[in-house]
Amino acid sequence: QSVLTQPPSVSGAPGQRVTMSCTGSSSNIGAGYDVHWYQQLPGTAPKLLIYNNNNRPSGVPDRFSGSKSGTSASLAITGLQTEDEADYYCQSYDSSLSASLFGGGTRLTLL
Amino acid sequence: QLQLQESGPGLVKPSEPLSLTCTVSGGSVSSSDYYWGWVRQPPGKGLEWIASIYYMGVTFYKPSLRSRVTISVDTSKNQFSLKLSSVTAADTAVYYCARGAAPFSRNWLDPWGQGTLVTVSS
Repeated sequence: QSVLTQPPSVSGAPGQRVTMSCTGSSSNIGAGYDVHWYQQLPGTAPKLLIYNNNNRPSGVPDRFSGSKSGTSASLAITGLQTEDEADYYCQSYDSSLSASLFGGGTRLTLL
Repeated sequence: QLQLQESGPGLVKPSEPLSLTCTVSGGSVSSSDYYWGWVRQPPGKGLEWIASIYYMGVTFYKPSLRSRVTISVDTSKNQFSLKLSSVTAADTAVYYCARGAAPFSRNWLDPWGQGTLVTVSS
């Protein structure tokens, strides 16, 4: 069981908006450490999607956005497209473990 | 453009050590702005951070793997490496190397290597 908790799956229809959560604790997200998000398409390496809670690397569409509040963070995707079907992982730092953590991942399925 | 490439054996026998190397091109492992790390993904499962290293030799390890893992950097070859001792079937995974931002508490990973599958089997 991951220290960062993500729902196993979310789904949405093309064009819709979906959100997915990443819940941590007072030693990681709640302590103020940044949350980063990755997209992993089937059979490929993960790709950085959002860094430092709400920043997009160059080339990532503005349909992707991140936010953080308290001990949780969220990734929102608007205008869903078929190519968004993938696994999404959150990542943060945990001060009690002095370690980097990944959430268990959320699989996005298009309806 | 920075690129990372993992290399190492694809098959390791149980109880033997696993050694992987990540070769960095288009950038330097001696940069003070980055860490260098390893992440693995068992088949059909999620991502697991293993270890990270700074060029000066500062290291971070996943606590549950600390006793079996060593990460090192070779600035002369622009490479960094992972050694995992006494492997079992549970260590079967795709192993990725990646560049991480500094400080380590902000360690977002980008870019990633393509990954290499390591199977532990006799």
